[in-house]
Amino acid sequence: ETGVTQSPTHLIKTRGQQVTLRCSSQSGHNTVSWYQQALGQGPQFIFQYYREEENGRGNFPPRFSGLQFPNYSSELNVNALELDDSALYLCASSFGQGTQYFGPGTRLTVL
Amino acid sequence: GENVEQHPSTLSVQEGDSAVIKCTYSDSASNYFPWYKQELGKRPQLIIDIRSNVGEKKDQRIAVTLNKTAKHFSLHITETQPEDSAVYFCAVEVDSSYKLIFGSGTRLLVRP
Repeated sequence: ETGVTQSPTHLIKTRGQQVTLRCSSQSGHNTVSWYQQALGQGPQFIFQYYREEENGRGNFPPRFSGLQFPNYSSELNVNALELDDSALYLCASSFGQGTQYFGPGTRLTVL
Repeated sequence: GENVEQHPSTLSVQEGDSAVIKCTYSDSASNYFPWYKQELGKRPQLIIDIRSNVGEKKDQRIAVTLNKTAKHFSLHITETQPEDSAVYFCAVEVDSSYKLIFGSGTRLLVRP
């Protein structure tokens, strides 16, 4: 298993609410990437944080935002939740351009 | 943008047989190609990766081959075992940007 952890494990929200998901990167890693994995599909890149700055973004609207802290842990925030936001949210940590190691994910259900 | 196609979507093999999964990509500047295995309800786990300065890489029963000219790479699993049953995803790093684009996945079933 990797040293990447995520919280919470599961979350149920209603449409229009806001949610914050958390990720602790593996020791020695300075980069965190976030992915959304809908049921039966491959992970889709949301954005990446490197040394506390956003370093690339996928095709997700601005209501998806994030932060990275000095200890390289990260948060993903989603505002105005929609039903289609229901998915497994994965974070992956790496050292710079190195291999990405995934956390266990947070399963978000929007009702 | 980068497009990654993965085939087949499902693959059923007899234990002991080989399995091959293929991915094609569109961006000729891509240089890094990892493969992940995801068991039901679990995180994707890296099983092997290859960089564009290498044509083939092997780790025990698993190998990856890369053809940069044709823009495709393949995962080869030999002597398959029931515990190899999972969904396998290929991925491509876009333009040295750290961003991974994933294929749609292959569900591998190894029949005992």
